[in-house]
Amino acid sequence: NAGVTQTPKFQVLKTGQSMTLQCAQDMNHNSMYWYRQDPGMGLRLIYYSASEGTTDKGEVPNGYNVSRLNKREFSLRLESAAPSQTSVYFCASSPLRGTEAFFGQGTRLTVV
Amino acid sequence: GQQLNQSPQSMFIQEGEDVSMNCTSSSIFNTWLWYKQDPGEGPVLLIALYKAGELTSNGRLTAQFGITRKDSFLNISASIPSDVGIYFCAGSKSIYNNAGNMLTFGGGTRLMVKP
Repeated sequence: NAGVTQTPKFQVLKTGQSMTLQCAQDMNHNSMYWYRQDPGMGLRLIYYSASEGTTDKGEVPNGYNVSRLNKREFSLRLESAAPSQTSVYFCASSPLRGTEAFFGQGTRLTVV
Repeated sequence: GQQLNQSPQSMFIQEGEDVSMNCTSSSIFNTWLWYKQDPGEGPVLLIALYKAGELTSNGRLTAQFGITRKDSFLNISASIPSDVGIYFCAGSKSIYNNAGNMLTFGGGTRLMVKP
């Protein structure tokens, strides 16, 4: 039982490049989330998907898009990376929206 | 967005000491969660609290759901070096999949332990 799996674990991008962060959960959870964590800023919600087929903006959605591919998978896309998007990105899932969330190990992204 | 007020922001303690941290809010929550994040890892759920006044333990960790529903407390007894990390509280207003129901996170308490 892997829980929440994120790929890649590390990534370096040049400004303007695009990439997709992948996330999959095997707990049959309905809700999935993407957070970013910056030093001294705690966890900030980028986008979430309360259930398969729905996505909604969180606190800091600008510069990102998401896709809930199916119940298991929720991807985060950076269309044109900027240095301000250098951060650690965490995917999480929960049985229902707002209930206890389980996190992946994170993707450390650097944009140069 | 709304944040929970978590204190202290950081603590540097001697191994063997007990640790207390808390989380407060101006509004009521119906679920309180405590997470620990080890360096380089994702947050891991330690304790979940669902009822006002509830006291729940997980090994040396004990957490309490405040009677007012506006706060929660985490205690660690006899700290050891592997307790190092960032502890986050999180609150939820409903156990149901209601519109707008989301987890709100505190800013974290960074714990450092001196051997």
